[in-house]
Amino acid sequence: GENVEQHPSTLSVQEGDSAVIKCTYSDSASNYFPWYKQELGKGPQLIIDIRSNVGEKKDQRIAVTLNKTAKHFSLHITETQPEDSAVYFCAAIGNFGNEKLTFGTGTRLTIIP
Amino acid sequence: EPEVTQTPSHQVTQMGQEVILRCVPISNHLYFYWYRQILGQKVEFLVSFYNNEISEKSEIFDDQFSVERPDGSNFTLKIRSTKLEDSAMYFCASNPTHEQFFGPGTRLTVL
Repeated sequence: GENVEQHPSTLSVQEGDSAVIKCTYSDSASNYFPWYKQELGKGPQLIIDIRSNVGEKKDQRIAVTLNKTAKHFSLHITETQPEDSAVYFCAAIGNFGNEKLTFGTGTRLTIIP
Repeated sequence: EPEVTQTPSHQVTQMGQEVILRCVPISNHLYFYWYRQILGQKVEFLVSFYNNEISEKSEIFDDQFSVERPDGSNFTLKIRSTKLEDSAMYFCASNPTHEQFFGPGTRLTVL
């Protein structure tokens, strides 16, 4: 089955700096890659996603890049703010038509004011 | 904006007891899921449900687990005889196609 690795496990950045979180996946048939933000005591919240037919997607301060050849994708947060502090999970769907999400192990992002 | 809701927010039970976790998915969604998250760990898939039947289940989803959509709105997860290791956050999710939207979760504590 699909296996998703995520790095780093913790990340601290100064407010205003950029943060990058990286994930790799194992199943070359994976075609959808969402990113979730989880605040303490809450459920995962979808913040951005990318499909395998594009290489990059941007939404204001958040962007995701995908390298299908290398089977890795990354989350980029620019101009970080204190409210960006949370745990971020990448995920992948392994096979077309199989909607099960396989999650990475999570990155605890701390924004230092 | 429509959202997935879950009840209760916290459930405490004794080992061996049955629990039912309830979810109301977003109304026009077709696929429903249960995931769990043991404290400090990643979110793990339990089961997916489509067209009134299980479409996939993980190895975690053994005979002690069952799901049901008893009416047009609710989606439930039943654990027949809880074990200590069932203590976790349980998330319900639903989606129309790929994008899965998660509920706030139920924290299950088994004593």
